Amino acid sequence: EAGVTQFPSHSVIEKGQTVTLRCDPISGHDNLYWYRRVMGKEIKFLLHFVKESKQDESGMPNNRFLAERTGGTYSTLKVQPAELEDSGVYFCASSRTSGVLDTQYFGPGTRLTVL
Amino acid sequence: GDSVTQMEGPVTLSEEAFLTINCTYTATGYPSLFWYVQYPGEGLQLLLKATKADDKGSNKGFEATYRKETTSFHLEKGSVQVSDSAVYFCARARNQGGKLIFGQGTELSVKP
Repeated sequence: EAGVTQFPSHSVIEKGQTVTLRCDPISGHDNLYWYRRVMGKEIKFLLHFVKESKQDESGMPNNRFLAERTGGTYSTLKVQPAELEDSGVYFCASSRTSGVLDTQYFGPGTRLTVL
Repeated sequence: GDSVTQMEGPVTLSEEAFLTINCTYTATGYPSLFWYVQYPGEGLQLLLKATKADDKGSNKGFEATYRKETTSFHLEKGSVQVSDSAVYFCARARNQGGKLIFGQGTELSVKP
């Protein structure tokens, strides 16, 4: 079974540009999460999809961030326009259910650097 | 609100030394608790978990016990190896499921 994949692995952009990150969850996992780790701090939750619906987007920092999951398969996270403070590692995770006993499987992350 | 606090790193140990990484959490209800590990160049992997008080999670020689009375979930290993060098994250689930709440991560470096 393939794991969670993310693309690209690294992205370096200039302030004001747009970047789109992609996440492919494990097949059959309805739940998809985005997290972010900024500058060696804690990993923070951004949002949670159940299939194509946004279940919880309380962690999205502002309206420069737009997440989609059309068709309930892969997801994209777009940052437009990017700011310096958006630099960090963006993780995607998926799980079959959102229950407390279900394990979230993480991808390798996308390292975003905004110059 | 819900939070997780873990000891700051980096932690540097010699091979075969004993490891403890402290983790405490805020207690609203009885959340599931997790340790994730990120090896260099890789993604987060679940290391172990415990779902109720007094449960002990274990994997690859690592152990952690869910202590309700001290709201702690400390990670231990009796004899670390160079291959254990990684960043370790403590996390809790919310009572209603969904998102995980992470600590800030502890970088471990094991020297031969």
